[in-house]
Amino acid sequence: KQEVTQIPAALSVPEGENLVLNCSFTDSAIYNLQWFRQDPGKGLTSLLLIQSSQREQTSGRLNASLDKSSGRSTLYIAASQPGDSATYLCAVKLTGGGNKLTFGTGTQLKVEL
Amino acid sequence: DGGITQSPKYLFRKEGQNVTLSCEQNLNHDAMYWYRQDPGQGLRLIYYSQIVNDFQKGDIAEGYSVSREKKESFPLTVTSAQKNPTAFYLCASSPRVSGTLETQYFGPGTRLLVL
Repeated sequence: KQEVTQIPAALSVPEGENLVLNCSFTDSAIYNLQWFRQDPGKGLTSLLLIQSSQREQTSGRLNASLDKSSGRSTLYIAASQPGDSATYLCAVKLTGGGNKLTFGTGTQLKVEL
Repeated sequence: DGGITQSPKYLFRKEGQNVTLSCEQNLNHDAMYWYRQDPGQGLRLIYYSQIVNDFQKGDIAEGYSVSREKKESFPLTVTSAQKNPTAFYLCASSPRVSGTLETQYFGPGTRLLVL
């Protein structure tokens, strides 16, 4: 059974700092991996999706990497801003698993002024 | 506006009562999903439907029921058999492109509380 873990569970940084969020998964037979953002009491917004054949994806200040062999993904946020404060979730879709996603527990990020 | 709507935003359930959460999408997506989110935990899949009039159990289907009579609607009923229903419920949908179900888009969620 696929298990997805995110470390740290919570993170507080000063504005302007670069930071890395980690996601690890136990089954490397993934179809893709996706990073989502969730604001308090809201739904999820997709940030980046990495196919299993890709090593990284970039969108603005965000860069996500994928290392299938080690079962790890990282989300790099450059020059963090208070508006980046949210919970970040990673989710994996298994090969042959239909469209079912297995989610991590999330990292709650707070960017302080 | 295209998107996924969930109603109500907050829902209160009395002991022994069944309640139904609404999820509607006007994105013409084939597949729809229901997830449950508890504090400090990731989302867990309750039920999903890849096509009208068909649905499958997810990882935590006990105490829940769904229907998919229309493409745009996927209501979730929380039955009295669900002993710990307090949670945040999220609905999602995804399009089918060239036979493959693509990324999921999420609604704003419904918070269910037990009185």
